[in-house]
Amino acid sequence: AQSVTQLGSHVSVSEGALVLLRCNYSSSVPPYLFWYVQYPNQGLQLLLKYTSAATLVKGINGFEAEFKKSETSFHLTKPSAHMSDAAEYFCALEYGNKLVFGAGTILRVKS
Amino acid sequence: DTEVTQTPKHLVMGMTNKKSLKCEQHMGHRAMYWYKQKAKKPPELMFVYSYEKLSINESVPSRFSPECPNSSLLNLHLHALQPEDSALYLCASGNLGTDSSYEQYFGPGTRLTVT
Repeated sequence: AQSVTQLGSHVSVSEGALVLLRCNYSSSVPPYLFWYVQYPNQGLQLLLKYTSAATLVKGINGFEAEFKKSETSFHLTKPSAHMSDAAEYFCALEYGNKLVFGAGTILRVKS
Repeated sequence: DTEVTQTPKHLVMGMTNKKSLKCEQHMGHRAMYWYKQKAKKPPELMFVYSYEKLSINESVPSRFSPECPNSSLLNLHLHALQPEDSALYLCASGNLGTDSSYEQYFGPGTRLTVT
């Protein structure tokens, strides 16, 4: 079965600090993996996706994610957090034209 | 244009009302989706249309009725809803890419309250 687990429902970082949001997946086939961001009362915005072309994926707003098959992980990072990064982040796995989402991680950025 | 639009932004309806949610995209995508998102939860897939035909129905109650009049438009007709149906309803569109994945773009959602 396909599933996604996001470790940590809430993550708090100081402005300028490293952001690390964790995602682990379970998939019986090579996965397509995505990170989305959702600001309050808005839709989801695609940050980046992994589709086997490269294990290190760069996305928008300075975010990147590394696919590690041996660890079944796809963690999202950003070197320096900005106040505008405060939002909810969803990791998702796509199969058969369906997206399976993790539970989400709310990122808080402290000034 | 990478925008998916949804109307209305907010909707309040009684349990005996009939209303519709609308979604539009002009990116030439051939797949369109409806999701339901409850507070503090991830989106849950409801329906998928592929080339204007319903391809996936995630066992959604019949009080929700999707319609895809053409490749740019997607409607969700609502009838006899329950208070527990109150949620953010998200529309998305996407295409099968050369990498064999579907990249979905989401609209801003319709906040539905059933009274």
